[in-house]
Amino acid sequence: DTAVSQTPKYLVTQMGNDKSIKCEQNLGHDTMYWYKQDSKKFLKIMFSYNNKELIINETVPNRFSPKSPDKAHLNLHINSLELGDSAVYFCASSRRQGRGEAFFGQGTRLTVV
Amino acid sequence: DQQVKQNSPSLSVQEGRISILNCDYTNSMFDYFLWYKKYPAEGPTFLISISSIKDKNEDGRFTVFLNKSAKHLSLHIVPSQPGDSAVYFCAASASTGNQFYFGTGTSLTVIP
Repeated sequence: DTAVSQTPKYLVTQMGNDKSIKCEQNLGHDTMYWYKQDSKKFLKIMFSYNNKELIINETVPNRFSPKSPDKAHLNLHINSLELGDSAVYFCASSRRQGRGEAFFGQGTRLTVV
Repeated sequence: DQQVKQNSPSLSVQEGRISILNCDYTNSMFDYFLWYKKYPAEGPTFLISISSIKDKNEDGRFTVFLNKSAKHLSLHIVPSQPGDSAVYFCAASASTGNQFYFGTGTSLTVIP
């Protein structure tokens, strides 16, 4: 039974489209995150939610909008996709903000063409 | 500005020998450190952690050493096995913070 699951695993789409990536955790954790791994393999925080409340919103274009319907889900919506959005996006969760171990989903490789 | 750095992008080690992966950090507020292992097309998986009140933590073949004065930590894997071949990420967090900061990873290859 997967602890943190995100879908889809691969996403290929054209510039200008709107897409969503879904994430669910069954660990009962309070905090969920979205990380972006760019071409340099650097894992950079995008958003963090604690009990459905937005805690971190790093310098991310407002075309990216996270939505947390409950503390087990954190979805990522991206509007007007651009070539530079191509990356691997990871969802993660932890029991508390920035403490304990974070569990990661398998990643979503987004390719914008 | 990258607060966690892994300056060696890759490392090759013979099977059975010791692998030493290094990590440096700049933020003195960091008090919790983790190592993650990542295989291709998978998410990072937690390996081992250490709190700043300790200077060593051991779990089987994996040992993490923390040198707070040097703002440096290292992961030792002994003996190294071919299945250890993966990318290893160092991460850090602060009790006053709310996220994990990651390094850029070191790709370890264990040669049979």
